[in-house]
Amino acid sequence: KQEVTQIPAALSVPEGENLVLNCSFTDSAIYNLQWFRQDPGKGLTSLLLIQSSQREQTSGRLNASLDKSSGRSTLYIAASQPGDSATYLCAVSYSGYALNFGKGTSLLVTP
Amino acid sequence: SQTIHQWPATLVQPVGSPLSLECTVEGTSNPNLYWYRQAAGRGLQLLFYSVGIGQISSEVPQNLSASRPQDRQFILSSKKLLLSDSGFYLCAWKGGYNEQFFGPGTRLTVL
Repeated sequence: KQEVTQIPAALSVPEGENLVLNCSFTDSAIYNLQWFRQDPGKGLTSLLLIQSSQREQTSGRLNASLDKSSGRSTLYIAASQPGDSATYLCAVSYSGYALNFGKGTSLLVTP
Repeated sequence: SQTIHQWPATLVQPVGSPLSLECTVEGTSNPNLYWYRQAAGRGLQLLFYSVGIGQISSEVPQNLSASRPQDRQFILSSKKLLLSDSGFYLCAWKGGYNEQFFGPGTRLTVL
């Protein structure tokens, strides 16, 4: 079974800290990996997409890395802000059409 | 630019009643479309996907069905709702590089 696990389930940090969210997957034969942000009661916002041939992607204060051999991806958030508070979801595609989601990490950045 | 709409935003229905949720996409043609469900305490689960008009693939046997009557319209239906159908229903489309983009979602509560 192709499982995606996100650790920790919840995280609280003071404003300004750099932080890392983790995602692991059991099958390394991935097509791509996508990180999303979900605000309470809202849809998903795509943050970063990493193709299987890539090692990392960056967008502003966000950096996502991919290590297929170890079955891991990390999302690094620099200089966190209260507006970064949300649930962050990792999703792995093995086929190019369906996404397998982790249960997410709920992030709270306190002022 | 592409935009994805879902309605209604929220819905409260009694057990045994029918269901119809609608998703439309603007700004693209012949998109791959998806229905996901997010239940409390669980990750997102792919329900259906469609690669074109009248073409539906089901990922999970259940009380729900999907239809694609037009190129940019995707409908999720049920003839008789169950309590277990409660959840947050998300529609998505697949863009370039197989990146998926999600709509705002429909919160369904079955009582």
